[in-house]
Amino acid sequence: KAGVTQTPRYLIKTRGQQVTLSCSPISGHRSVSWYQQTPGQGLQFLFEYFSETQRNKGNFPGRFSGRQFSNSRSEMNVSTLELGDSALYLCASSKTLAGQETQYFGPGTRLLVL
Amino acid sequence: SQELEQSPQSLIVQEGKNLTINCTSSKTLYGLYWYKQKYGEGLIFLMMLQKGGEEKSHEKITAKLDEKKQQSSLHITASQPSHAGIYLCGADGNGNKLVFGAGTILRVKS
Repeated sequence: KAGVTQTPRYLIKTRGQQVTLSCSPISGHRSVSWYQQTPGQGLQFLFEYFSETQRNKGNFPGRFSGRQFSNSRSEMNVSTLELGDSALYLCASSKTLAGQETQYFGPGTRLLVL
Repeated sequence: SQELEQSPQSLIVQEGKNLTINCTSSKTLYGLYWYKQKYGEGLIFLMMLQKGGEEKSHEKITAKLDEKKQQSSLHITASQPSHAGIYLCGADGNGNKLVFGAGTILRVKS
């Protein structure tokens, strides 16, 4: 079974630009969560989608948004990029929304904002 | 909100030695996950503990959950260079949201 895939793997943008990251979950998984990982803040939850609806949201500004498609693939968008948005963005998938269900992570997209 | 504290922050061990990493929660643990991460890469799921007193093993890695202490420990026996990486504990937040510890960097000297 193929794992979680993320594209692109690496991205360089400049301040003020916007970026869209993509995540394809494991086949059969309907929940997709996004996390931001930085050396200073560690791994932080961004948001979670299930059946095309955002179910949970972390403490990030409105510049960070996402969506999920009917095939469970998800995209994350960051507008008006800031230097501090440079990070490894990870998505994870699980079968359902139920708590205590293992989330499987993709390889991540490393974003560098210049 | 729940916070997870991992100790030690980093660890250097000689190949073949045993080691333990701890994860302590500020709140009651309902589910505790251990992941391993190679620098700059995604997280690899190691194991999940759900009940107090539960202990799971995978190859040379054993994890335990002490519900009363709100703590989990990850023990590696006879460490190998392949064990090197960052070990992260995560706990169930609200719904499917995971809260993570800061991670423990493990280096194994051969």
